[in-house]
Amino acid sequence: KAGVTQTPRYLIKTRGQQVTLSCSPISGHRSVSWYQQTPGQGLQFLFEYFSETQRNKGNFPGRFSGRQFSNSRSEMNVSTLELGDSALYLCASSLAANDLAKNIQYFGAGTRLSVL
Amino acid sequence: AQSVTQLDSQVPVFEEAPVELRCNYSSSVSVYLFWYVQYPNQGLQLLLKYLSGSTLVKGINGFEAEFNKSQTSFHLRKPSVHISDTAEYFCAVSEGSGGYQKVTFGIGTKLQVIP
Repeated sequence: KAGVTQTPRYLIKTRGQQVTLSCSPISGHRSVSWYQQTPGQGLQFLFEYFSETQRNKGNFPGRFSGRQFSNSRSEMNVSTLELGDSALYLCASSLAANDLAKNIQYFGAGTRLSVL
Repeated sequence: AQSVTQLDSQVPVFEEAPVELRCNYSSSVSVYLFWYVQYPNQGLQLLLKYLSGSTLVKGINGFEAEFNKSQTSFHLRKPSVHISDTAEYFCAVSEGSGGYQKVTFGIGTKLQVIP
């Protein structure tokens, strides 16, 4: 079974640009969560999608948005990039079953975004 | 609201020595607890999990953790570390219902194994 796939692995952008990151979850997983990881801040929750709907959102500005497609693949978009957006963006998928014991999150390798 | 505290940001330890990485959590409801490991330039890999039952859980690569409800702790241990264990370790707590879980991560502990 293939794991969580994130593309691209690396991105270099300049301030003011926008960027789209992609995440393909494990087959059968219906929930996709996004995290921002920076040194000293750890993992900060961005948002979670299930059945093409955003179920929960962290404390990030509206420049950060996402969506989920019918095949559970998800994209994350950041507009008007700032230097502080440089980070590793991680995607995690889970079954989203009613039994929480089955809702373990599995992570992709991440997309490292550098904003110059 | 749930929270996770990892008490040490960095832990240096000599190869073949034992190690303990500390994690304390707070939550108003029953929770699930996890340890993840992150190697350089990689995502997070699940090391072990506590869902219910025995408070001592064993994970991959010889790691184990003990859930202590009274002390709200979930410390990670390994009796003898190897160079390849050098990585960052994250403790996480999960709570929720109806198929949705909220996962909160600690800030991470960098384990540096010294040859």
